[in-house]
Amino acid sequence: DAMVIQNPRYQVTQFGKPVTLSCSQTLNHNVMYWYQQKSSQAPKLLFHYYDKDFNNEADTPDNFQSRRPNTSFCFLDIRSPGLGDAAMYLCATSRLSREGEQFFGPGTRLTVL
Amino acid sequence: GQQLNQSPQSMFIQEGEDVSMNCTSSSIFNTWLWYKQEPGEGPVLLIALYKAGELTSNGRLTAQFGITRKDSFLNISASIPSDVGIYFCAGRSGSSNTGKLIFGQGTTLQVKP
Repeated sequence: DAMVIQNPRYQVTQFGKPVTLSCSQTLNHNVMYWYQQKSSQAPKLLFHYYDKDFNNEADTPDNFQSRRPNTSFCFLDIRSPGLGDAAMYLCATSRLSREGEQFFGPGTRLTVL
Repeated sequence: GQQLNQSPQSMFIQEGEDVSMNCTSSSIFNTWLWYKQEPGEGPVLLIALYKAGELTSNGRLTAQFGITRKDSFLNISASIPSDVGIYFCAGRSGSSNTGKLIFGQGTTLQVKP
């Protein structure tokens, strides 16, 4: 089945220790997104790729970086995680002509100690 | 910035009852979408609406794109326990960055068997 896969599902890191979350997709979608979701809140867009074109949201902290080496894979790097970065991180994809119809992965739950 | 007001915030209903939730905005949207998120998972697209006045069904779910393009509702008929989750409305306007969705705050639905 075509899908969006996120690894790991749970990640524990220490305050200030860099961490990388990964996302892969078998849908061959052009657009990939990273969202942060805190408890009882809506997903908050961090950035998205339109093919290789990177689009950063204005309020995304510099602490968050992303890489998309090819169509299938996308990575979220948190350079120096703080306690406030503990959240669910969701990866999503969409086709070019249907950007609103986003396919989400199961998420990675990040804990910062 | 654009905001969506989603109501109610939560609902606790008896199995078999019908459910209604809605979203309103002060801005016009070209696309309205409804997503469902279950605990520990990413949101799943339920219904996408592309035309003002459009009424679309997906099984027991029915959603409408308001004629003013500033609102949408979702109805669930004859609720069952597996309807439990958080329902998010989302809108996308022609002026937003490619792919960016504006999410409502979510409606948490609990169903008592």
